[in-house]
Amino acid sequence: GPKVLQIPSHQIIDMGQMVTLNCDPVSNHLYFYWYKQILGQQMEFLVNFYNGKVMEKSKLFKDQFSVERPDGSYFTLKIQPTALEDSAVYFCASSPWDWGDTQYFGPGTRLLVL
Amino acid sequence: AQSVTQPDARVTVSEGASLQLRCKYSYSGTPYLFWYVQYPRQGLQLLLKYYSGDPVVQGVNGFEAEFSKSNSSFHLRKASVHWSDSAVYFCVLSAQGTGSKLSFGKGAKLTVSP
Repeated sequence: GPKVLQIPSHQIIDMGQMVTLNCDPVSNHLYFYWYKQILGQQMEFLVNFYNGKVMEKSKLFKDQFSVERPDGSYFTLKIQPTALEDSAVYFCASSPWDWGDTQYFGPGTRLLVL
Repeated sequence: AQSVTQPDARVTVSEGASLQLRCKYSYSGTPYLFWYVQYPRQGLQLLLKYYSGDPVVQGVNGFEAEFSKSNSSFHLRKASVHWSDSAVYFCVLSAQGTGSKLSFGKGAKLTVSP
């Protein structure tokens, strides 16, 4: 089936530094998402993105977070500066349309903030 | 607000035995409901989804789920499990009017023993 790729698979970073998580979504998809899963907890919605804009974000999407997809390249999640509580697995997803449509997930990026 | 509860965090069944993974949701309207599976080091993959119609929905690899509005449930079943079914299974809800934000259960880790 359609594949979503995430780069890198693992990232270790010092608190306060900037990190960019990259997502290569399915080529003809229009909607893009980030989810966060802290070890042992539920996966939680962070943000969705369509037509160059954030459509909806959760309270987990702090001011230090930003997303973009410049010129149809990677869909990125940037955290600047990072905090210890940002340590989690971040999943990217994409879908052709929005509500009710199947979202296709990447394998996740495991971020550890020291 | 909406939520999803998966009461069984870990389930072990013998190969060839039947399986049921339970899912209860909380939402006042009519949700989209999904079951996703996650194999190690891979992204989530869709097993099946339901919105309306026949409350028993068929999915891939012999999985099916039954929707019950009266019980607010969406249990996943398989008649005979195989060792390759060992994975983590997520029950997921998309509530109307929230765009494409997904609400996840905590997941059920299935181990199929020989």
